Amino acid sequence: AQTVTQSQPEMSVQEAETVTLSCTYDTSENNYYLFWYKQPPSRQMILVIRQEAYKQQNATENRFSVNFQKAAKSFSLKISDSQLGDTAMYFCAFMISNTGTASKLTFGTGTRLQVTL
Amino acid sequence: DGGITQSPKYLFRKEGQNVTLSCEQNLNHDAMYWYRQDPGQGLRLIYYSQIVNDFQKGDIAEGYSVSREKKESFPLTVTSAQKNPTAFYLCASSIPSHGDYEQYFGPGTRLTVT
Repeated sequence: AQTVTQSQPEMSVQEAETVTLSCTYDTSENNYYLFWYKQPPSRQMILVIRQEAYKQQNATENRFSVNFQKAAKSFSLKISDSQLGDTAMYFCAFMISNTGTASKLTFGTGTRLQVTL
Repeated sequence: DGGITQSPKYLFRKEGQNVTLSCEQNLNHDAMYWYRQDPGQGLRLIYYSQIVNDFQKGDIAEGYSVSREKKESFPLTVTSAQKNPTAFYLCASSIPSHGDYEQYFGPGTRLTVT
């Protein structure tokens, strides 16, 4: 079974600063995907960024980037130039890569990020 | 606009009653999922469906049932056998047959059972 651990229940960052959210996972699989989802107060789940395990290059999406360390089973999210709209719960999630078939997401418990003025 | 709709946003029921949560998508996605979210926990998979007339239990299926009679619809019934039904329920869909594993989520339904 796969597990995802987010060890930071809450974090705070000032506007325009950089913050890193941690995530570790445990799996015996070799082919998988990792995701960061954002859940603002509206509770809508929004995909922030994703990483395919076979890719060595870290994914980036504008101000969001990841540090993917496959051997260490670590997948941290860096938010640069933090904005008030980044205030949300952030969930790390894992999915086994099953070619062409539906596959479940396994979520961590989340990190609540507060961006302050 | 394509997307996933869940209705209603808030649902209240008395203990001992079955209740059905709606999930509809017009994204032409093959796969659909139901997750449950409790405070301080991540989302946990209840049921998922790969195609019409097929569905599989997830990690916490006890006390729930689903149907998939149409590609667009995947309703979830919370039965009286579910011991702690009060939670936030999220529906999602994806199109893994096209190599896209991203799951797109609906806005969720908050169910309160008293």
